[in-house]
Amino acid sequence: EVHLVESGGGLIQPGGSLRLSCAASGFTVNTNFMNWVRQAPGKGLEWVSVLFGGGTIYYADSVRGRFTISRDSSKNTVYLQMNSLRLEDTAVYYCAKGSMPANLYYFDSWGQGTLVTVSS
Amino acid sequence: QTVVTQEPSLSVSPGGTVTLTCGLSSGSVSTNYYPSWYQQTPGQAPRTIIYSTNTRSSGVPDRFSGSIHGNKVALIITGAQAEDDADYYCVLYMGSGIWLFGGGTKLTVL
Repeated sequence: EVHLVESGGGLIQPGGSLRLSCAASGFTVNTNFMNWVRQAPGKGLEWVSVLFGGGTIYYADSVRGRFTISRDSSKNTVYLQMNSLRLEDTAVYYCAKGSMPANLYYFDSWGQGTLVTVSS
Repeated sequence: QTVVTQEPSLSVSPGGTVTLTCGLSSGSVSTNYYPSWYQQTPGQAPRTIIYSTNTRSSGVPDRFSGSIHGNKVALIITGAQAEDDADYYCVLYMGSGIWLFGGGTKLTVL
């Protein structure tokens, strides 16, 4: 059974950094495309970043240059390093597993999310 | 800048049928965008409902279906139940590793 558990959220000041983790079980992160999706309080979902199985990475314009997605295959975990955080980055961050096969391009499993609050 | 459009809110009576749509601010939505739909209830993570336009995810009741609806895609709920009261999000794959979510539709079953 697929299971995704996010951690690392918390309260951080503007300009600060935070690293989120997504621990996966039931599948291997380096054979699926893995995503981060966020949801600001009371708002809709926003796709943030993807790490494909072959290593290709993409970001939404709103986070490019500030966020970095990565993975540790030995820990079967995906990370989101968030630097230069802004008030508007406040959100619940969800880890989402990509479809298998990848060319169906949808998110087939979701974690429960971790809350990041950027505030002074 | 391309925007994915959805109705902000809709309502349906129990047992009724409702159509939620997903479009683009410019152009038509086609199967080439690999449309998918997600259901979210308050305080919960999203749940995958439909992918590849019209394929139901595992365990999703057959009252949920997807289709092309003119120049948009649609999620149709036939015989709505109280538990279908939720937010629904459409996602389109724009190519080049980029996905766009619609703003979501708040569906009320009453």
